[in-house]
Amino acid sequence: AQSVAQPEDQVNVAEGNPLTVKCTYSVSGNPYLFWYVQYPNRGLQFLLKYITGDNLVKGSYGFEAEFNKSQTSFHLKKPSALVSDSALYFCAVRDMQAGNMLTFGGGTRLMVKP
Amino acid sequence: GAVVSQHPSWVICKSGTSVKIECRSLDFQATTMFWYRQFPKQSLMLMATSNEGSKATYEQGVEKDKFLINHASLTLSTLTVTSAHPEDSSFYICSAHLQGAVNYGYTFGSGTRLTVV
Repeated sequence: AQSVAQPEDQVNVAEGNPLTVKCTYSVSGNPYLFWYVQYPNRGLQFLLKYITGDNLVKGSYGFEAEFNKSQTSFHLKKPSALVSDSALYFCAVRDMQAGNMLTFGGGTRLMVKP
Repeated sequence: GAVVSQHPSWVICKSGTSVKIECRSLDFQATTMFWYRQFPKQSLMLMATSNEGSKATYEQGVEKDKFLINHASLTLSTLTVTSAHPEDSSFYICSAHLQGAVNYGYTFGSGTRLTVV
């Protein structure tokens, strides 16, 4: 079975400061990892993914994430937060040996204050 | 890029009536469509997986007779909430898995806010 944990319900950061949103995963095989962002009453927007290759993945809007196999983590990062980054962020995993279903973490609300 | 159009964005219906939610893939063929339900301030809960031309696979605890899913073509999947009750009020989101996508992409609809009164 595959699972995803986002240990923080909410992350608060001041505008201009770096931000990190944490994600750990559990799969039986090799993972495909994704980050999505959701604004109020909207669907999910794709930010970035890790399939294979470089552990540091760069995505949309200046976000990046680092795949760490030994720690089974895929934390989302941005060097300088913007107020407009305030939203709900979801980490998701797909187990390559378990079909094409995505499993989502519980979500982390990011609040960027001016 | 791949776009999934989901309609309606929001709907209010009376208890006992049925509501249909549509998801269309606009510029690609979606062999697999996932339907999620999201409660306020919570994560997405997978309800069912539908493949074009076959019956949907429902997750444990999801009533297949209440949440009817049809995936009759590679560009259209529908979710019908039958005999809706207030507890069915929620945010419903569809997601298409792109056939043969080298980047293993998933595209999400914009969601439907259902309120049953």
